[in-house]
Amino acid sequence: GAVVSQHPSRVICKSGTSVKIECRSLDFQATTMFWYRQFPKQSLMLMATSNEGSKATYEQGVEKDKFLINHASLTLSTLTVTSAHPEDSSFYICSAANSESSYNEQFFGPGTRLTVL
Amino acid sequence: QQQVKQSPQSLIVQKGGISIINCAYENTAFDYFPWYQQFPGKGPALLIAIRPDVSEKKEGRFTISFNKSAKQFSLHIMDSQPGDSATYFCAASRAPRGSGAGSYQLTFGKGTKLSVIP
Repeated sequence: GAVVSQHPSRVICKSGTSVKIECRSLDFQATTMFWYRQFPKQSLMLMATSNEGSKATYEQGVEKDKFLINHASLTLSTLTVTSAHPEDSSFYICSAANSESSYNEQFFGPGTRLTVL
Repeated sequence: QQQVKQSPQSLIVQKGGISIINCAYENTAFDYFPWYQQFPGKGPALLIAIRPDVSEKKEGRFTISFNKSAKQFSLHIMDSQPGDSATYFCAASRAPRGSGAGSYQLTFGKGTKLSVIP
């Protein structure tokens, strides 16, 4: 149980294009999903918190117009990197919090490697 | 301000030995302390977690020790194996704010790269 998938696993795009990353909780409902960014050999940096049916809450310094988050259902959240530039190249990871768990454990997806040329 | 300090940054342990990673936190409102294991190119996987109402939790070869008064917790990996070689992150979170909120926002340590050598 507690499986979170991400699609695609890796994507290469040209500068100026937009890229959408999907995050799905496969066997549980996730009221809350989180999006992280991870640079090589560094820890996870929280970008935004997404609650189903409401607007995402972005961390300080994260551009909401650049990183569009949609959480339309209890099992799906999407992150769209708009007008991507080389500096957006990174490893993006989502996590889903199990709404039925008393501890609300977070389970992570396998990550998406984004490379912007 | 880093709220969860993790050490060491890297650790080399002989196969069969004990790996110990330490974390310290500052926010006394934290009440959930998970450990994650991450292999290169993969997402973190929840390894084991503890709440402040117990001082120790053991699952197989993995044990969390928790010291509430010192605001410290540690991960012990017994009989370390080469397959345990990965980066380990400690984390902490507090109860969500507001009724119905399900957002346990995790604060991560900077990670420890563990290498278990044969």
